[in-house]
Amino acid sequence: GENVEQHPSTLSVQEGDSAVIKCTYSDSASNYFPWYKQELGKRPQLIIDIRSNVGEKKDQRIAVTLNKTAKHFSLHITETQPEDSAVYFCAARYSSASKIIFGSGTRLSIRP
Amino acid sequence: SAVISQKPSRDICQRGTSLTIQCQVDSQVTMMFWYRQQPGQSLTLIATANQGSEATYESGFVIDKFPISRPNLTFSTLTVSNMSPEDSSIYLCSVEGRVSTGATIYFGEGSWLTVV
Repeated sequence: GENVEQHPSTLSVQEGDSAVIKCTYSDSASNYFPWYKQELGKRPQLIIDIRSNVGEKKDQRIAVTLNKTAKHFSLHITETQPEDSAVYFCAARYSSASKIIFGSGTRLSIRP
Repeated sequence: SAVISQKPSRDICQRGTSLTIQCQVDSQVTMMFWYRQQPGQSLTLIATANQGSEATYESGFVIDKFPISRPNLTFSTLTVSNMSPEDSSIYLCSVEGRVSTGATIYFGEGSWLTVV
């Protein structure tokens, strides 16, 4: 079925350290994998995405990797800062109906 | 990116009543979706709003409870019918927009509903 699993559910890292969030998906035909950041009381904001024709994408301190064979993708945040504290959601587009299915979310806390 | 306007932004509703949420996009879009985010939870897709035809509902969601309209390529409504406290959630409209690398998904500001 259509499923996206996300781990961990909570993550606490020291400011300046790196944070990694991992997701797996079930549809081998999925071709688009966005990541969203949601701050308290706000809508999810797209922070980075990757398509199935590339294995890695980077935007400043944020990077995403994709392993199509294993059907998993990861978000990497380097040099974490207090403003990185938020809930992060991974998602995958299911090719059957172009719909986006979300992971369960990771609450990231940055310790000063 | 597409600009998506949703209203109401917040509302407190009485049990048993219905509320219609509007979603307006500043450009024509093919795909529009409605999501629900219950407190502390992830986003769950309610349905895909199809222009000119009936919406496509996900498992666990039915048209009688969540009727959807999509009269054109820039507008959609979601009605939450016969509300109960369990319907207290954020309801989010999202659209598929085009960027240089392909299609991507954007969200409206959300409609925060509390049912009392």
